[in-house]
Amino acid sequence: DGGITQSPKYLFRKEGQNVTLSCEQNLNHDAMYWYRQDPGQGLRLIYYSQIVNDFQKGDIAEGYSVSREKKESFPLTVTSAQKNPTAFYLCASTPGSSGNTIYFGEGSWLTVV
Amino acid sequence: QKEVEQDPGPLSVPEGAIVSLNCTYSNSAFQYFMWYRQYSRKGPELLMYTYSSGNKEDGRFTAQVDKSSKYISLFIRDSQPSDSATYLCARLDRGSQGNLIFGKGTKLSVKP
Repeated sequence: DGGITQSPKYLFRKEGQNVTLSCEQNLNHDAMYWYRQDPGQGLRLIYYSQIVNDFQKGDIAEGYSVSREKKESFPLTVTSAQKNPTAFYLCASTPGSSGNTIYFGEGSWLTVV
Repeated sequence: QKEVEQDPGPLSVPEGAIVSLNCTYSNSAFQYFMWYRQYSRKGPELLMYTYSSGNKEDGRFTAQVDKSSKYISLFIRDSQPSDSATYLCARLDRGSQGNLIFGKGTKLSVKP
């Protein structure tokens, strides 16, 4: 079945460690996105990518990094520079940039201990 | 640019009630609006997608855009306990090449 797969679902990290969240889609979508969701804050854009080997910072990119080496993959690294990384992370994709809707994965819960 | 306002609730209604969920926006240039439903600890799923103004109906759900008052609404008829979720409105930010700008979500509880 087509869809967006995020892994792991739950992840615990010690302070000072980097962690990478995986996002894979088999929808042949061009654009991919990473959002962060905190209680009462809604969804905030971290990074997005319209094409392979190109990505742009979103509203809260500090402390995060991404890569887009393949069309179907858009991993997110939460670095030790991110001061408050505990959150629900959502990966999304869309066919293109002109009025298309965005579809989400099931999310990854990151807890810093 | 970020102006999509949504009452966070929570909103509690009895089963069978008509639910009205609302968002306001400030930039009249926006044309694409979406409603997402998010169950607890799950990713958002697309419910409705509307372009410009007017109504769009899908089963028990109706999305409405009133551009004159910059108001978008989602109506749920004959609400069910399974409709209990957080509902997110969003508008397409064309300046960010397809990025969505979300409201903070309204938490709905439908009591049996």
